[in-house]
Amino acid sequence: SAVISQKPSRDICQRGTSLTIQCQVDSQVTMMFWYRQQPGQSLTLIATANQGSEATYESGFVIDKFPISRPNLTFSTLTVSNMSPEDSSIYLCSVEGGSSGYTFGSGTRLTVV
Amino acid sequence: SQELEQSPQSLIVQEGKNLTINCTSSKTLYGLYWYKQKYGEGLIFLMMLQKGGEEKSHEKITAKLDEKKQQSSLHITASQPSHAGIYLCGADEFRTYKYIFGTGTRLKVLA
Repeated sequence: SAVISQKPSRDICQRGTSLTIQCQVDSQVTMMFWYRQQPGQSLTLIATANQGSEATYESGFVIDKFPISRPNLTFSTLTVSNMSPEDSSIYLCSVEGGSSGYTFGSGTRLTVV
Repeated sequence: SQELEQSPQSLIVQEGKNLTINCTSSKTLYGLYWYKQKYGEGLIFLMMLQKGGEEKSHEKITAKLDEKKQQSSLHITASQPSHAGIYLCGADEFRTYKYIFGTGTRLKVLA
């Protein structure tokens, strides 16, 4: 199965600033998924990122707030823009692993102060 | 570190049959989540269990967390082709701020 390197693992950011989260996969994958988990809640899918096309965002998430890049088949970034304390969450990237199902990054724990 | 093991790894059932997927943790669970992933799509949250002995149902899917909070089961009644996908349990790893996930169960339902 694929191995994902996600960074940073955690960060504390000032409100109004932006943070870019990176995910590097050790193999080429078509689709990458970005999730958010707010404190005490389940994972929520933010968007699906395909290489060569714009990301598809789920209801409640917009590109201006969560711009995503997918420059190639092994890499993607998610930016959390103009952050507020409500953005404090864990952010996860994920890829399908073919016969092994799926793989997740280790997560980025974001605290906005 | 805490680990979640799911069984079975894969399951093929005839439409209309009942089935159960298990998720066993190596340590006490402080929040257990069940997700479903359709092929080529992201995770869909199904249910969250927190209390020992807790049971929740949604449509034909029932999830339980045992009293010791180390095992959870997901039961599907009268399975349908729409139930096909990968079922995944997930949990917050105690004191490490990491997410851990089960090994996944791939379900196929034959019409």
